[in-house]
Amino acid sequence: AQSVTQPDIHITVSEGASLELRCNYSYGATPYLFWYVQSPGQGLQLLLKYFSGDTLVQGIKGFEAEFKRSQSSFNLRKPSVHWSDAAEYFCAVGPNTGTASKLTFGTGTRLQVTL
Amino acid sequence: GAGVSQSPSNKVTEKGKDVELRCDPISGHTALYWYRQSLGQGLEFLIYFQGNSAPDKSGLPSDRFSAERTGGSVSTLTIQRTQQEDSAVYLCASSSGFSYFGPGTRLTVL
Repeated sequence: AQSVTQPDIHITVSEGASLELRCNYSYGATPYLFWYVQSPGQGLQLLLKYFSGDTLVQGIKGFEAEFKRSQSSFNLRKPSVHWSDAAEYFCAVGPNTGTASKLTFGTGTRLQVTL
Repeated sequence: GAGVSQSPSNKVTEKGKDVELRCDPISGHTALYWYRQSLGQGLEFLIYFQGNSAPDKSGLPSDRFSAERTGGSVSTLTIQRTQQEDSAVYLCASSSGFSYFGPGTRLTVL
């Protein structure tokens, strides 16, 4: 069965500092991988996705993530965090079937940004 | 509309009552999903509709939960005889390749 682990429940960083949010997945085949962000009272917004090809993917708002098959990881990074990045971040995995399918989500990492 | 919409945004109900939650997907998206987000938890898959195929109901937690999708568009999630543990945010997503999420319905069962 597929699963996603986000080992950090809560992370605090200073504005302008770099950020890395960890995500490890368990999946029997090559997965589709996603990062979503959820601001308070909002739905989930897709930050970026990995389907195939280049293992370093760029997303919106200056985020990027790197797919490392050997480590079963898909960590999210940002070189300089802004106060508006404070939110909850979810990593998700889905089957690489070429069509839409249900996703399995991690439990999320809440990011707090201090000024 | 431009995105996935859900109504109501908030619903407070008494234990034992039935509730209906509505999802309007992005026009043309053939896939529609319902997820539940409980406090401190990740998103839990509930049900998945794909075109005219039989829905994948494997995530529904009990037979009190049901969902339908009319005309391949709007979907309604129904929870009968609500319990306090049903309190959560119910998120709908539609997809044509990857998922766009609605803002959710926050359900509180007193």
